[in-house]
Formats: sequence, C-alpha cells, structure tokens
Amino acid sequence: GAGVSQSPSNKVTEKGKDVELRCDPISGHTALYWYRQSLGQGLEFLIYFQGNSAPDKSGLPSDRFSAERTGGSVSTLTIQRTQQEDSAVYLCASSLGPIVGQGPEKLFFGSGTQLSVL
Amino acid sequence: RKEVEQDPGPFNVPEGATVAFNCTYSNSASQSFFWYRQDCRKEPKLLMSVYSSGNEDGRFTAQLNRASQYISLLIRDSKLSDSATYLCVVSLSGNTPLVFGKGTRLSVIA
Repeated sequence: GAGVSQSPSNKVTEKGKDVELRCDPISGHTALYWYRQSLGQGLEFLIYFQGNSAPDKSGLPSDRFSAERTGGSVSTLTIQRTQQEDSAVYLCASSLGPIVGQGPEKLFFGSGTQLSVL
Repeated sequence: RKEVEQDPGPFNVPEGATVAFNCTYSNSASQSFFWYRQDCRKEPKLLMSVYSSGNEDGRFTAQLNRASQYISLLIRDSKLSDSATYLCVVSLSGNTPLVFGKGTRLSVIA
C-alpha cells in the first residue's frame, strides 16, 4: 500500500487480556516509531526501531509492553495483562530514517489502533 | 518542566484573521523542529519543518528562536479548513525520536 497500515483499527478487550497491535510501514522506510495518544492528550513516545533493532525503548511505560520488528518491515506491539489505563490510540509512524547531521526525516503516520480496555 | 510546551487553546478566530502560536522547548541541544497538524480523530501530518533562518510556505510562516528556545507558527488569512490541532515537534539530531507537544487547537469561524 501507499501509506502506513495499522491493524486492527479498533480493539476492545477485557482487563487482564493480552493484545497485539500490528504496523506495516511504508516500503523502504527503515525507521519505525510507536506512539500512543490518550483522549485530549499529546503523543507519548513508546519505542523506536531502526531496521530491526530498537535503539530507544525508553518510552515503554512498563514491562507489560514489548515490541518487535522483523525483516526490517512489520512491527508488532504487545501489551500483556492489559489495564484500563492502557486505553488509548496507538499510532505507528515510519520514515526513511535519520540523515546524519540533519536529524530525523518526515514521519508518516498510520490511522492508529483505538484500544479500549474494559 | 515539560520537554515541549504549547498553549492548548482553543484559539477561536474569524475567517481571514492572522493567528500565531508559540511553543517552547527545554533541551537547548535540540536540532530539528517541525509543526505537524492533526485533524479531529485523524493521524498527525507534517505541516512544515522549521529552519534557523525562518521559512514560509504560502500562508504559513515558521520561526525559530534558539536563544529563547521557542518556535512560532503564523497563519495569515485563516481559512475554515485550517481548523485543527497544531503540534509543535522537537528532536535532537541523529537517532532520537520526535517529541511532540500536546498541541494548540485552532477553530476558524465563518
């Protein structure tokens, strides 16, 4: 596809269940980011991949959150034992990757996964 | 102090008005600056990068003041379609993620 694709678009789950969110970045984009946005709030950085490695995991809120990326393409964000405070829109973005000395390239965002934990 | 701070608004302005938003950032080593736009229930999209010398794109002008650590966005001749949340975004150069402000909400009224 032409853009960043995320699935599912909506996920309703019960507290304590595990969920897996998927992101398909734009083909050729080496950098992939996960953010989350709670209602009326700004974007909260979760994790960043350059290729398959994650140089920055500092934003993951707890050890219930993990993410992986395989083949330099698809990424999955897994939340174990979900809690009500995990409810948010989870946004994935990709870019060509940082240019040395010039900083990050433009981010292209997917439409997000709306997660609701009951 | 938050890394990126913005006035949340809302700014309610009539069509044709000029409106300006400011944003302050805490890390003086920051190198890259952007304005993103987010429509209601949509994903953010890049509006423009902010360069040290200031830059203009049609009705939009962005300025950077490194000494005072703030970024501004000026919108001239506001249109109804400009109604959105404007996100100030900052990054250190290299392999560092973009840090987003909470956004400033603009409503342009007919």
